[in-house]
Amino acid sequence: GESVGLHLPTLSVQEGDNSIINCAYSNSASDYFIWYKQESGKGPQFIIDIRSNMDKRQGQRVTVLLNKTVKHLSLQIAATQPGDSAVYFCAETDSTLTFGKGTMLLVSP
Amino acid sequence: GAVVSQHPSRVICKSGTSVKIECRSLDFQATTMFWYRQFPKQSLMLMATSNEGSKATYEQGVEKDKFLINHASLTLSTLTVTSAHPEDSSFYICSASVGQGGEKLFFGSGTQLSVL
Repeated sequence: GESVGLHLPTLSVQEGDNSIINCAYSNSASDYFIWYKQESGKGPQFIIDIRSNMDKRQGQRVTVLLNKTVKHLSLQIAATQPGDSAVYFCAETDSTLTFGKGTMLLVSP
Repeated sequence: GAVVSQHPSRVICKSGTSVKIECRSLDFQATTMFWYRQFPKQSLMLMATSNEGSKATYEQGVEKDKFLINHASLTLSTLTVTSAHPEDSSFYICSASVGQGGEKLFFGSGTQLSVL
């Protein structure tokens, strides 16, 4: 999940399943992390964020986990719905926001 | 949440023409705006950071004479792609921030530029 690369990883799940999207970040100085959802032809939409002094944060149907030791971030979506189908980007920042390469989530009915 | 309006959503132009994209913060004042470029199936790449009333800061490899950025007010930033060529075809996205850092960013809906 670095910020380079031409191929978009894809995660295919069935409706109702839980989804886990992973992201590896590179900057050990990053202190704020965000997950965005981007639907085709639209701008990114904020989902959930977490600061580096936390390792877990929960929202509505979503949970973000942060492991600073291995510089890993994950987004868990509970009871995935077809409307969750989109590309998901993690982003990190210490002063400037840097996006990861994204994961396409495909949810089948 | 705050709303960022980006216009136009789609533009098709002939090679050699210039295209202006507008980014407006509708219900807040944006001290900092960011412009991104996104190719199909790729991530957002930061092109430049603009602060109201000062010159934009361009990322390495982005031609400042090619991509003119103006941030004349706290609610409006514009990106002008000058003498556009087919390789400039891309999805351009702006975002606005209340603070100076990368937090609390609100994104526009993007502009799909196609240069023939």
